[in-house]
Amino acid sequence: GEDVEQSLFLSVREGDSSVINCTYTDSSSTYLYWYKQEPGAGLQLLTYIFSNMDMKQDQRLTVLLNKKDKHLSLRIADTQTGDSAIYFCAEIPVDSSYKLIFGSGTRLLVRP
Amino acid sequence: DTAVSQTPKYLVTQMGNDKSIKCEQNLGHDTMYWYKQDSKKFLKIMFSYNNKELIINETVPNRFSPKSPDKAHLNLHINSLELGDSAVYFCASSQGLIASSYEQYFGPGTRLTVT
Repeated sequence: GEDVEQSLFLSVREGDSSVINCTYTDSSSTYLYWYKQEPGAGLQLLTYIFSNMDMKQDQRLTVLLNKKDKHLSLRIADTQTGDSAIYFCAEIPVDSSYKLIFGSGTRLLVRP
Repeated sequence: DTAVSQTPKYLVTQMGNDKSIKCEQNLGHDTMYWYKQDSKKFLKIMFSYNNKELIINETVPNRFSPKSPDKAHLNLHINSLELGDSAVYFCASSQGLIASSYEQYFGPGTRLTVT
């Protein structure tokens, strides 16, 4: 199937770390992505990771990839209220003809 | 400068009508996409054009017809609108086909409400 799964909701306090998890479907996916959608806006690419990497860090963002378990996570350090948004993971399965398959999205709420 | 723009931002119309949503990108990209986001925020690709050629055509009713007059534009025409067509439609573009690290740039979306 083409189901990329995420938990629906995450609530954290400002200053804490947030960890958003994703389980994807195709172990052959070459790139995996994290997108952010703020209210009333389109999606914005946050970061991506190539499948031969286990970890990628970009300022407050850390992406961890476990290919064996087909598990992807996004850690946001020192979460701010401006990080409140919906976060989507996405993959391009090998046989997908260039289709980006999105997860269901995780709504992150940052409490002051 | 707006990278990917869509018009209109909001569209309210009655069942049975025909409507179009326009998309333009000024990034010089070769590939453009239409996505549908339903009320539960689930996002799914509908169409993709690369250099004006249809690359991806998901299982979308024939009432939906994309048209790409040039590489910078990808319009979406919908005939005989139904209640289930109510959603937010996003246009996106990328430098090339996304079997790589090419980033997709999304437009702000068009919220379609069919009454």
